Formats: sequence, C-alpha cells, structure tokens
Amino acid sequence: QITLKESGPTLVKPTQTLTLTCTFSGFSLSTRGMGVGWIRQPPGKALEWLALFYWDDDKRYSPSLKSRLTLTKDTSKNQVVLTLTNMDPVDTATYYCAHRMTWDYSFDYWGQGTLVIVSS
Amino acid sequence: QSALTQPASVSGSPGQSTTISCTGTSSDVGGYNYVSWYQQYPGKAPKLIIYEVSNRPSGVPDRFSGSKSGNTASLTISGLQAEDEADYYCTSYTGSSTLVVFGGGTKLTVL
Repeated sequence: QITLKESGPTLVKPTQTLTLTCTFSGFSLSTRGMGVGWIRQPPGKALEWLALFYWDDDKRYSPSLKSRLTLTKDTSKNQVVLTLTNMDPVDTATYYCAHRMTWDYSFDYWGQGTLVIVSS
Repeated sequence: QSALTQPASVSGSPGQSTTISCTGTSSDVGGYNYVSWYQQYPGKAPKLIIYEVSNRPSGVPDRFSGSKSGNTASLTISGLQAEDEADYYCTSYTGSSTLVVFGGGTKLTVL
C-alpha cells in the first residue's frame, strides 16, 4: 500500500526558506520508473506542478520556480525534501507530494497536503 | 493563467451525462498521450480518475471516460450522481522544461 505524507511548518515569514518533507512508504524511489512529485494549490485556486524527483536522481523543476526550488532525498528514510527559498505571500498554498505512476506523468497516490501560510 | 483551458463550471442533472473539455496546444495535449484527469473534493487531495487520455485506474467507475481530439481532451461523466459534484482538473505532459501543466479546474454541479 502506497502512502505519502507531507510535513513542515504551517507559517513562514516573507523572505524565509520553506522546507517540506514528504515521507512515503509502499515503494522504493530507487526502482526504475518511480518518481515523487510536488504540486501546490493556493487557496481557492488551481493546482500547480512544482517539481519531480526521478528514481535515477534526475530532477525537474517548474521554470517559474527553478531558481528558488531544490529537491533532495534521503533514501534510508524514504523521504523527499522540498526547499523553497525567499518565500512570498503568493507562495501561500497547500503543498502536496504525490507518487508518479510508473513510466507515466500522472500522480496516482497523493499525500493529504500541508497548508503553508506566508505572512509576517 | 493556467496552461490548459477548462470551463470554470459545468452542471448536469442526476442520470445525465456531462463533458468537461481541456484545451491545450500541440506542445502538450495534442503532442502526447499523457493527459490525466483528477477529481478533487473541497479540502481533500486530488484523486486520479483518468490517465493516458482514456485509462481508468482500478476502482474508478466506468461512468468516467476520457478522450482526445487534436489539442483538446475531454472527460465525460455519464449517469451523473450527486457524489460526482467536485472540482475536476486536467493535466498534460509537455516534453519541455515545464514537465506537467494543469488546467484551471472545472467545478461540476449536480443539480
């Protein structure tokens, strides 16, 4: 059974760095074709793809956030960590991590999401 | 502005069918068969209901079907039920640095 869960701060101040952890189970990110993605959703708005971490350590970032966004992984802990620098109120959103359907670009299992509010 | 265009809202009566469109370009929807659809209830995470244009994950009712023609993908829900009232999002692979693009979402109201 595949599960994912996001964890991190609920409130960050403008200019600060956000660090979110996705802890997953039920699959290995080292298995060919696997991937973990990050998607966010501002309150009342649409979903936005942020990044994807592939099984071979390749990473893809949204061009609009590439300069601020970094993904890392801790294989021993089954975690993928998202770091977003220079937070702004427009980054207020629910952040989701999700399992990439093998060899596809769909996300078939999602975490519950974590709301991050950017405010001073 | 989202990369894929969806109607903001659609509605239908129980038992009827409704279709939600998702219009992109030849660089995304029209260029690849990696179109997906998600259903999202308020306050909940999205749920994958269609992948690769027309495939349903296990457990998704066959009332949900997907198709594509040119640069436009469509999600059809037949035999509408009250529980289908939700937001629906389409996505597509792009093959560019913006790997995946989402639509702006469509709110389905079951009258």
